[in-house]
Amino acid sequence: SYVLTQPPSVSVAPGKTARVTCGGNDIGRRSVHWYQQKPGQAPILVIYYDGGRPSGIPERFSGSNSGNTATLTISRVEAGDEADYYCQVWDSSSDRLVFGGGTKLTVL
Amino acid sequence: EVQLVESGGNLVQPGGSLRLSCAASGFTFSSYSMNWVRQAPGKGLEWVSYISISSSDIYYVDSAKGRFTISRDSAKNSLYLQMNNLRDEDTAVYYCARASGVGGQMDVWGQGTTVTVSS
Repeated sequence: SYVLTQPPSVSVAPGKTARVTCGGNDIGRRSVHWYQQKPGQAPILVIYYDGGRPSGIPERFSGSNSGNTATLTISRVEAGDEADYYCQVWDSSSDRLVFGGGTKLTVL
Repeated sequence: EVQLVESGGNLVQPGGSLRLSCAASGFTFSSYSMNWVRQAPGKGLEWVSYISISSSDIYYVDSAKGRFTISRDSAKNSLYLQMNNLRDEDTAVYYCARASGVGGQMDVWGQGTTVTVSS
């Protein structure tokens, strides 16, 4: 089955740039979506189809996907960005939706 | 307001059954595919099941096959998850989420309903 690998944690100072990676075999050939989840809340979509940004999501959030790594980039990080972030793809070979294990973003 | 509201979560003994419901409002439910996603305490997100607009395409995570059944009723703007033969490892918050087709992004999520399987 297809596996997505995320670092368990990423730390960044306010105002700096955070990059959360999502590794998978040839993930660049797949469409990747990203979700943000704060404690006690439901996830929200922050990036769709590699780099699309839903309405209401700040331009500080961007995504890219190439080769074996997809990346969520958060520019000018704010305290309110502290959350867990999950990448997601659809594995058509097994007809399964796959999430990465999640990355806890800590704003120092 | 676009909204999904789950219900039906409860404490149930191993081997028991539960039926979760997800009520949709504020959008044309019959035009969207739907997913169930769960999150065990302190763990990450796990996809459970997908149903297409017409219910013609239905998929499950392996651990749910043969035990869970996803269904939808467009007349009632509702999504369901019938869960039988529940196990301890099914304990989780269950979310329903609107999807833009199979593999599409989940752009609207409910607040979740809690299922606890314990004797």
